[in-house]
Amino acid sequence: AQTVTQSQPEMSVQEAETVTLSCTYDTSENNYYLFWYKQPPSRQMILVIRQEAYKQQNATENRFSVNFQKAAKSFSLKISDSQLGDTAMYFCAFIPPLNDYKLSFGAGTTVTVRA
Amino acid sequence: GAGVSQTPSNKVTEKGKYVELRCDPISGHTALYWYRQSLGQGPEFLIYFQGTGAADDSGLPNDRFFAVRPEGSVSTLKIQRTERGDSAVYLCASSLNPGLGETQYFGPGTRLLVL
Repeated sequence: AQTVTQSQPEMSVQEAETVTLSCTYDTSENNYYLFWYKQPPSRQMILVIRQEAYKQQNATENRFSVNFQKAAKSFSLKISDSQLGDTAMYFCAFIPPLNDYKLSFGAGTTVTVRA
Repeated sequence: GAGVSQTPSNKVTEKGKYVELRCDPISGHTALYWYRQSLGQGPEFLIYFQGTGAADDSGLPNDRFFAVRPEGSVSTLKIQRTERGDSAVYLCASSLNPGLGETQYFGPGTRLLVL
């Protein structure tokens, strides 16, 4: 079974600053998929960024970027130039190659952006 | 519609009652997923549909839970003899195609409270 660990229950950041969320996962597979999802108080889970394990290059989406360290099984998310609208719960998630549809989520990190 | 929709948004019921939760996926998406999110936790996989058939129902907790997708579009999650432990947010997601780590798009969820 795969497990996803987010060791930071809560993070707080000043507006316009940078915050990094950690995520580690456990798998014996070589090819898999990693995601960061954002869940604001509205409950709608929104995709932030997606990474395919066979790609060496770290994924980037505007102010969001990841640091994918395959050997260390680490997949951290960096939010640059934080905005008030970034306040939400952030979930790291993993899809294995065998059941390549089944998302496994971490417990989440609550991010609060302060004005 | 533009996104995944779920009804009702909130449902309060009494222990022992039957409930139905509805999901309308994004038009044209062949794969549909149900997840359950307990308070303070990440979502957990329940069931996956490819077209009309349940391709993987391994996440359903017991035989009180059942889901259908008779025409390959709308899906209904059915819970019989509800228990207080069933209280959670039930999330539905859809993807254009199943597998290969395809991005799943989530609805806003149904918050179920069993009294």
